Amino acid sequence: AQTVTQSQPEMSVQEAETVTLSCTYDTSESDYYLFWYKQPPSRQMILVIRQEAYKQQNATENRFSVNFQKAAKSFSLKISDSQLGDAAMYFCACIDSNYQLIWGAGTKLIIKP
Amino acid sequence: GAGVSQSPSNKVTEKGKDVELRCDPISGHTALYWYRQSLGQGLEFLIYFQGNSAPDKSGLPSDRFSAERTGGSVSTLTIQRTQQEDSAVYLCASSLSRGRNYEQYFGPGTRLTVT
Repeated sequence: AQTVTQSQPEMSVQEAETVTLSCTYDTSESDYYLFWYKQPPSRQMILVIRQEAYKQQNATENRFSVNFQKAAKSFSLKISDSQLGDAAMYFCACIDSNYQLIWGAGTKLIIKP
Repeated sequence: GAGVSQSPSNKVTEKGKDVELRCDPISGHTALYWYRQSLGQGLEFLIYFQGNSAPDKSGLPSDRFSAERTGGSVSTLTIQRTQQEDSAVYLCASSLSRGRNYEQYFGPGTRLTVT
């Protein structure tokens, strides 16, 4: 069965600094997608960034980028120039062969002003 | 355009009562998902609808849980004889179609509290 592990229950970063959130996953699939979602206090999940496993180039979206290490099954999220609005729960997820998202337990990101 | 909406936003019910949670997906989205999020946890898949196909119910935790989707649009998740362990946030998501590269758009969820 696929599993997604986020080993950091909570992270904090000073505003304008850079923070990296860790995620490891386990899958027997050869073709899969990985996602980072953000969940602010409003509860609404928002897609931050996605990575296709067959693409070697790391995905980037403005201040958000990933470090995808396929052999190590690692998929970390880097947030540059952290802003107060980045404070939220961040979830890593992997989509399986049944097109279901398998989720990590989440990392709470705190931004210090 | 309008996103995924869910109602009610919050629901408090007594143990043993039945509850219905509603999800309005984005217009034109054929795929609809229900997830459960317990406190401090990631999301747990419950059920999935794709067009007129039979739903994938593999994530439903017990036969007290059921869901339907009428006319390929609105979906209702029903929990019968609620238990305290059913307390969680129930999230609905929709996507344009089924597939790994189709983004799932989430609603704000319904927080269910069973007393």
